[in-house]
Amino acid sequence: TQLLEQSPQFLSIQEGENLTVYCNSSSVFSSLQWYRQEPGEGPVLLVTVVTGGEVKKLKRLTFQFGDARKDSSLHITAAQTGDTGLYLCAGDGNDDYKLSFGAGTTVTVRA
Amino acid sequence: GAGVSQSPSNKVTEKGKDVELRCDPISGHTALYWYRQSLGQGLEFLIYFQGNSAPDKSGLPSDRFSAERTGGSVSTLTIQRTQQEDSAVYLCASSFGGGHEQFFGPGTRLTVL
Repeated sequence: TQLLEQSPQFLSIQEGENLTVYCNSSSVFSSLQWYRQEPGEGPVLLVTVVTGGEVKKLKRLTFQFGDARKDSSLHITAAQTGDTGLYLCAGDGNDDYKLSFGAGTTVTVRA
Repeated sequence: GAGVSQSPSNKVTEKGKDVELRCDPISGHTALYWYRQSLGQGLEFLIYFQGNSAPDKSGLPSDRFSAERTGGSVSTLTIQRTQQEDSAVYLCASSFGGGHEQFFGPGTRLTVL
């Protein structure tokens, strides 16, 4: 069973549209990370959120950490074809090195 | 290149054979991690090395899996008597220490026939 549940599993949208990916858990995490992974590559860290209720913006990407530090969301505004990839969330629990990953959301942005 | 490198990039083997996967971390990174990524699944933690401390092997799925890190740098993950369910992408990551940003290699895709 996944400690972190991501939804939706797949998302296909037209360039210029907005999208939101969710990451939910029944566990509390000290921090939560979002990664993007392209085919044949390892995941690349996008952002780390550590404070409940925190909102971080990275250009067209907005990340939110739930008040209870159990859930998070990633919102992309005006998606571009370069946003295509597998988006993974990962939670950092009691051990500061052992991350628990969600299964990921495959995002496809069509031109 | 200054990133994490892994070899081979692809490995096809027959059931029952042993395989060795290699990871070269970023120079200066004291922490090294191995993960397994199966189709439709997230990354599954396998093992963590930090400096000269005893590794955290709690994620290794069976005693057929082992890993070592020589000289605090290169690591090899060995799978003995491979099974079809071992087929996956094996990812290595390194960081300046536990809790710091992990940098991932491109992975080794293992296929067990």
